[in-house]
Amino acid sequence: GAVVSQHPSRVICKSGTSVKIECRSLDFQATTMFWYRQFPKQSLMLMATSNEGSKATYEQGVEKDKFLINHASLTLSTLTVTSAHPEDSSFYICSAPTVAHEQYFGPGTRLTVT
Amino acid sequence: AQSVTQPDIHITVSEGASLELRCNYSYGATPYLFWYVQSPGQGLQLLLKYFSGDTLVQGIKGFEAEFKRSQSSFNLRKPSVHWSDAAEYFCAVGAGYSTLTFGKGTMLLVSP
Repeated sequence: GAVVSQHPSRVICKSGTSVKIECRSLDFQATTMFWYRQFPKQSLMLMATSNEGSKATYEQGVEKDKFLINHASLTLSTLTVTSAHPEDSSFYICSAPTVAHEQYFGPGTRLTVT
Repeated sequence: AQSVTQPDIHITVSEGASLELRCNYSYGATPYLFWYVQSPGQGLQLLLKYFSGDTLVQGIKGFEAEFKRSQSSFNLRKPSVHWSDAAEYFCAVGAGYSTLTFGKGTMLLVSP
């Protein structure tokens, strides 16, 4: 199947700083990518849809200015958590759909804000 | 609005025994249905999918699932569970290229 990578896999940052997470589709192009957040022992919650060449679409309740998304190319989307706070600590997962209508997920990024 | 219900939060199965994980969905049109597996601290791996056609679909790792429109169900099955199958399983519904709605997941525990 298709491969999606995320970097970094784990990051620890201090409160008030910003963190960038990269999501790459390694062997296919993705004009759309999705960013999810997962709390411990819970399901995935869609945060936003990243669109190559246009603005991201955010789900209700997700702060656009806090979670900046840039879809720089057909294989790369980035999520920047700005002015991070401890409550932003979570597991962030991206996914990319293929032309076969399958979504492939990255391995996730564990963010810890101290 | 679309939704997915996985009624079992945890299931414990003996190694070698059969497995069935339940999934019920609500969707306004013909659904695209998926099962994913997640190991601790990892992303999600696609096990199988249903788009159309044969209602019994085969996936990786010996898993299969059956789409039953009349029951709005898409249950996941495996005839003989291995210890390495212990993980969390998520059922999801979507419409092709769009976002997915996930169930809350079922944690599978495998006893010796």
